[in-house]
Amino acid sequence: GAVVSQHPSWVICKSGTSVKIECRSLDFQATTMFWYRQFPKQSLMLMATSNEGSKATYEQGVEKDKFLINHASLTLSTLTVTSAHPEDSSFYICSAEESYNSPLHFGNGTRLTVT
Amino acid sequence: GESVGLHLPTLSVQEGDNSIINCAYSNSASDYFIWYKQESGKGPQFIIDIRSNMDKRQGQRVTVLLNKTVKHLSLQIAATQPGDSAVYFCAENAGGTSYGKLTFGQGTILTVHP
Repeated sequence: GAVVSQHPSWVICKSGTSVKIECRSLDFQATTMFWYRQFPKQSLMLMATSNEGSKATYEQGVEKDKFLINHASLTLSTLTVTSAHPEDSSFYICSAEESYNSPLHFGNGTRLTVT
Repeated sequence: GESVGLHLPTLSVQEGDNSIINCAYSNSASDYFIWYKQESGKGPQFIIDIRSNMDKRQGQRVTVLLNKTVKHLSLQIAATQPGDSAVYFCAENAGGTSYGKLTFGQGTILTVHP
């Protein structure tokens, strides 16, 4: 089946630094990728929708200058958390859509801890 | 709207029992619904989906029921196994440009005792 790979699976960084998270579709081309955030014991919250070659669409309340999304190819989207703070510590999950109205494939998430 | 909770509902069952997990959705315009299973430290795993023109759909050991009148979705797991222990989320989509833009429910923790 279709596989979405996220890297790294976990990362620890110091406050004020930036962290990049990669989301790759391994065996299909993803027209659209989505980035979610999940705090412990909570649900997934959509952060942004990423389309290849265009600017990401951010959900209300998500700072686009803090969470930079780049979707440079049909198999790769990146999320960069800039000037990270402890409150940015969370589980970040990406998903990819192979084509319009096809089921989503989720990555296994990236655990970010900001110290 | 958002579906966030600090304390997830829990369901404990014995191995072999049937499990029913419920979900109330908020958007009457939603026309596509999915159930996901999430194990600790992993991303959501697709279980089963249903479109709004149906009220029931069956998969292997799982059944999803949709009641649009009361905006209620349920997931039935037959002969529950310890490997079914996880957090279960319902998700809804209001269509539009993509079925991938999902709003997730708060989740239910299922614990299966051997």
